Amino acid sequence: QSALTQPASVSGSPGQSITISCTGTSSDVGGYNYVSWYQQHPGKAPKLMIYDVSSRPSGVPDRFSGSKSGNTASLTISGLQAEDEADYYCSSYTSSSTRVFGGGTKLTVL
Amino acid sequence: EVQLVESGGGLVQPGGSLRLSCAVSGFTFSSYYMGWVRQAPGKGLEWVANIKENGSEKYYVDSVKGRFTISRDNAKNSLYLQMNSLRAEDTAVYYCARDRLRKYFDYWGQGILVTVSS
Repeated sequence: QSALTQPASVSGSPGQSITISCTGTSSDVGGYNYVSWYQQHPGKAPKLMIYDVSSRPSGVPDRFSGSKSGNTASLTISGLQAEDEADYYCSSYTSSSTRVFGGGTKLTVL
Repeated sequence: EVQLVESGGGLVQPGGSLRLSCAVSGFTFSSYYMGWVRQAPGKGLEWVANIKENGSEKYYVDSVKGRFTISRDNAKNSLYLQMNSLRAEDTAVYYCARDRLRKYFDYWGQGILVTVSS
């Protein structure tokens, strides 16, 4: 049950696009289309942003999109806004019927 | 409106026990998987456990197997986490969350702090 691998930090200027990667194995990310992404502001509970690799819950702006290739999933935020500054976590279902999260990525909007 | 409210956290000595509760409203509790996720201070999220709608299936992260027990009472719309033999590394904010088909968590509680220290 090793954590998925995410970059510790990414940054971008308002209006730009950024992508956060999430690398796992064939037993989790690569084996299932059950990757989800969560946004967490300081002191707040996580918020679901993307599920099933690329689906967006109602209310999440279409600036947020997800994709997957092999064992790596990605979250892309286009038209970056100040309120997007937060920590982002990926998660996947695993072959052991458990769940695993990534280590988290701190997004800084310059 | 969907609401999940955790309670039962606090300070406990190493080796001690604590029972967390999560009171749910705003959806048909008995129709959903539920789970617990924790976050150590300054660290990332860690999935802890989840439980099937009727309680017949339970899954745990290896680090809590044999020490933690997840349960639910569908008549009371409540989820529980019994934590025994607590260790310093169990110190974290514990979140209760609705688990959609074991694929993703779509609603989260506000979290409750558990501190294991002498």
